[in-house]
Amino acid sequence: QVQLKESGPGLVQPSETLSLTCTVSGFSLTSYGVNWVRQPPGKGLEWMGTIWNDGSTDYNSALKSRLSISRDTSKSQVFLKMNSLQTEDTAIYLCARDGESLGASYWYFDFWGPGTMVTVSS
Amino acid sequence: DIVLTQSPALAVSLGQRATISCKTNQNVDYYGNSYMHWYQQKPGQQPKLLIYLASNLASGIPARFSGRGSGTDFTLTIDPVEADDTATYYCQQSRNLPTFGSGTKLEIK
Repeated sequence: QVQLKESGPGLVQPSETLSLTCTVSGFSLTSYGVNWVRQPPGKGLEWMGTIWNDGSTDYNSALKSRLSISRDTSKSQVFLKMNSLQTEDTAIYLCARDGESLGASYWYFDFWGPGTMVTVSS
Repeated sequence: DIVLTQSPALAVSLGQRATISCKTNQNVDYYGNSYMHWYQQKPGQQPKLLIYLASNLASGIPARFSGRGSGTDFTLTIDPVEADDTATYYCQQSRNLPTFGSGTKLEIK
């Protein structure tokens, strides 16, 4: 069955770089895109970016200068790197599979990982 | 960015109908599809896809959930509501770079 699982450090120092991994199973990264979404405590959802099945990427314009998403298809892993972290980047970070309908992608999120909490604090 | 507006909260009696609205500041229709999707999120859990492309029920979602709308006005309906439907419901558009509404917290009376 389709599964996604996020992993990474729970605590990051201000101004440092965040590195997260999303490990997937039950589908191939060369067939489906994977998205990163974050949610500050008690707040709503914010799409961060997507790595598509062909390896191309799209980023939230507000985060684009700080964000990089990559992958290792042989390990079924997607990576997020975001630099210059501030306290407002404290959030649950989730990865989610891009959904398809009749073989076409419509950029909705059909399977989600449980998320990993990241706190930015000294 | 396309902005999605949702009412913050809604209270509905058990067994009645809940209607959650989502309005966008730009048309999210494109080539016959409405690029609007709905999610349910319970406390401490990840979001769950309910409806995609405005009216298509996601796999495993009960038929009590339905979606409709086009252009800039969309609704998610739950009929009848059950106690387990207590959650926050988010709309999301994908006509442009994805954005989410701020969520509607549903309380079952």
